Amino acid sequence: DAGVTQSPTHLIKTRGQQVTLRCSPKSGHDTVSWYQQALGQGPQFIFQYYEEEERQRGNFPDRFSGHQFPNYSSELNVNALLLGDSALYLCASSLVGGRDGYTFGSGTRLTVV
Amino acid sequence: AQKITQTQPGMFVQEKEAVTLDCTYDTSDPSYGLFWYKQPSSGEMIFLIYQGSYDQQNATEGRYSLNFQKARKSANLVISASQLGDSAMYFCAMKREAAGNKLTFGGGTRVLVKP
Repeated sequence: DAGVTQSPTHLIKTRGQQVTLRCSPKSGHDTVSWYQQALGQGPQFIFQYYEEEERQRGNFPDRFSGHQFPNYSSELNVNALLLGDSALYLCASSLVGGRDGYTFGSGTRLTVV
Repeated sequence: AQKITQTQPGMFVQEKEAVTLDCTYDTSDPSYGLFWYKQPSSGEMIFLIYQGSYDQQNATEGRYSLNFQKARKSANLVISASQLGDSAMYFCAMKREAAGNKLTFGGGTRVLVKP
């Protein structure tokens, strides 16, 4: 039973560029959440998708956007990258309402130079 | 704002000994859940244990137990018989029913197990 899969594992981008991160949820899960984890800090909630719609959003600017596909996989897009966007981006999948807990992927480490 | 506080940035523990990781939380909601996750250097958040606000018993999962003191708003993680593989970052997190399906994390505690 595959867990949460994220791609790519690492990438380096230049300031001002755009990036897309991808997440495949655990089999049977229908909800995907994205978190940003800066170095040495705990993860911060970006947003959550369920039934292909953004259901909740944390305190992140509109440069951060997402999408969920009919197969429940999800993308996180970040436009106009800033140096401060450098972080580990974690995807977590769950059933709606968080029943049965959350399963995290290994993350995508984004470096903005 | 709802908050999770982990006051210990780092800890050393001798192999085979027990270690307690502190976590305090701040919420006025009656319904919430508390999670502990382990994050090794690979980056993945590994679920360890869960405690619901209405649970009467302290949660236990193998070598992990949660010392839940509701009145003090604390949810400390106890790892018994530490192993070298326990070396990692540990995060406490809270989910509030009123806040939907998101987790709020503390700043984490780094544990290093010495042989």
